[in-house]
Amino acid sequence: QQQVKQSPQSLIVQKGGISIINCAYENTAFDYFPWYQQFPGKGPALLIAIRPDVSEKKEGRFTISFNKSAKQFSLHIMDSQPGDSATYFCAAHPQGAQKLVFGQGTRLTINP
Amino acid sequence: DAGITQSPRHKVTETGTPVTLRCHQTENHRYMYWYRQDPGHGLRLIHYSYGVKDTDKGEVSDGYSVSRSKTEDFLLTLESATSSQTSVYFCAISQLADQETQYFGPGTRLLVL
Repeated sequence: QQQVKQSPQSLIVQKGGISIINCAYENTAFDYFPWYQQFPGKGPALLIAIRPDVSEKKEGRFTISFNKSAKQFSLHIMDSQPGDSATYFCAAHPQGAQKLVFGQGTRLTINP
Repeated sequence: DAGITQSPRHKVTETGTPVTLRCHQTENHRYMYWYRQDPGHGLRLIHYSYGVKDTDKGEVSDGYSVSRSKTEDFLLTLESATSSQTSVYFCAISQLADQETQYFGPGTRLLVL
């Protein structure tokens, strides 16, 4: 079964700090790795994504680091702000499939 | 929420009763999905549709059925609701040209007593 394992389940970071969320996968036939952000009472929304042919992608304060040999990828949030407090999901897209496999989610709290 | 509505937004029902949740989109996207979200489990795919009348099972499909008679509507039915189906249900859509990106609706919170 295709799986994506996400950690930690919850994370508390001080304002201005770096938030790091990690994901690992078992199936090498994934060709796209998105991160979704979900605020309370809302549906998840695409935040940033990466393909396995690059090792890093940065958009503003958000960076994905991708390690193909270790089958791991992570989300880094620099200069974390209280407005970043949300649940974050990593996901992976199986090649040729019309669906995504999601991680378990991380509830991030940024303390002011 | 990308032209996606879900109804009802909240529902309380009793064990053994049938329940139907509706997802409606105005984007004319080909693919539609139903997920459930539970603490510690993340988002788990229940069923998805790749066209009108074309559906397939996800990883947690037992106890659920779906129907899609029009491009814009995707219905999720719990034939006989159980307490284990208490959850938040999300509908998502994606388009043929960009299947990898899914857009989610606002969710339906279901409580089965």
